Amino acid sequence: NAGVTQTPKFQVLKTGQSMTLQCAQDMNHNSMYWYRQDPGMGLRLIYYSASEGTTDKGEVPNGYNVSRLNKREFSLRLESAAPSQTSVYFCASSDGPQGYEQYFGPGTRLTVT
Amino acid sequence: DQQVKQNSPSLSVQEGRISILNCDYTNSMFDYFLWYKKYPAEGPTFLISISSIKDKNEDGRFTVFLNKSAKHLSLHIVPSQPGDSAVYFCAFQEYGNKLVFGAGTILRVKS
Repeated sequence: NAGVTQTPKFQVLKTGQSMTLQCAQDMNHNSMYWYRQDPGMGLRLIYYSASEGTTDKGEVPNGYNVSRLNKREFSLRLESAAPSQTSVYFCASSDGPQGYEQYFGPGTRLTVT
Repeated sequence: DQQVKQNSPSLSVQEGRISILNCDYTNSMFDYFLWYKKYPAEGPTFLISISSIKDKNEDGRFTVFLNKSAKHLSLHIVPSQPGDSAVYFCAFQEYGNKLVFGAGTILRVKS
């Protein structure tokens, strides 16, 4: 039982390049989330998916798109990376709607130069 | 406008003593409150939670206190151990099952 897995662990992009961050969970959770963590800012929600087939914007969605591929997988895409998107990205899942505890992946450290 | 504030960026405590981490919030609609712990290069892990109908919840060395009138949440760790050194985030359940996180407090437990 791996929990929440994320790939890649590290990535360096040049400004304007695109990439997709992958996330998968094996806990049969309905809800999945993407966060970014920046120094002094805590965790900020980018997008979330309350259930398979639905996605909604969070606090900081600009510059990102998401796809809930199936119940297990939730990907985050940067179409044209910018230095402001340098951050650590975490994927999480929860059993929602009453399961407020979220379970996090190990993170992807992204640097945009 | 920050809904959640962890006003102490860091805290240093001697092993065996009590660690007290604090969190203030502004949204009186928050219904469920959580604490997460994060080690470097790992994802946050759930630690303990409390619903708005309670004022205290204990789990081993960890106790969470909720003061709704003051809109204040705290986490007590007794006794503190070096392995407790980590970043601690408070989080609050917003509508649906979204969480709002504080900025975090770095706890260092000295042996």
